[in-house]
Amino acid sequence: GDSVTQTEGQVALSEEDFLTIHCNYSASGYPTLFWYVQYPGEGPQLLFRASRDKEKGSSRGFEATYDKGTTSFHLRKASVQESDSAVYYCALKGMDSNYQLIWGSGTKLIIKP
Amino acid sequence: ETAVFQTPNYHVTQVGNEVSFNCKQTLGHDTMYWYKQDSKKLLKIMFSYNNKQLIVNETVPRRFSPQSSDKAHLNLRIKSVEPEDSAVYLCASSLGLRWDNQAPLFGEGTRLSVL
Repeated sequence: GDSVTQTEGQVALSEEDFLTIHCNYSASGYPTLFWYVQYPGEGPQLLFRASRDKEKGSSRGFEATYDKGTTSFHLRKASVQESDSAVYYCALKGMDSNYQLIWGSGTKLIIKP
Repeated sequence: ETAVFQTPNYHVTQVGNEVSFNCKQTLGHDTMYWYKQDSKKLLKIMFSYNNKQLIVNETVPRRFSPQSSDKAHLNLRIKSVEPEDSAVYLCASSLGLRWDNQAPLFGEGTRLSVL
């Protein structure tokens, strides 16, 4: 079945550091890929999505590029701020997932003072 | 702007009690969901409900049941809570089961603590 792997459970950075959170997927065809962000005390909210190879999604300074060759959708931000502290989820919706989102395990981003 | 509303925000109860959580969406969506988020932040879908069609995650214990009066409301009932039910329960909605252009929108969650 379809699956999403986020390798980092937690990332600790200082303000203005460069962020990369890795996301790899396994699915047939061209699944739609998503990044969600969840701030403390809130539900997950969509950052952006992409559905074609080489398509770039972006929002609030975050971006990720759909790469079918490496089956990846890594999240990047050039300069993180304290307000970016949150849990980030990669997810996919594929042909075989019965219309459900398949979620990664989440990555907690901590910005050190 | 929150358009999926969950009540209560928090609930503390004892093992064996029955609890019920409410969810309402004002978006005119046809499909609603319940997710469980554990202490490690893992998200697992429990139910999806579309036009009276219920899709159940087969791993959900039978003490959990969704209750819907109309397409704007999907409540979650737990008949006899157990310690492992302590979690955040998240409600979400989408335009339909085959949503293509709009990903599900989530409420803020209900945090359940079972003593």
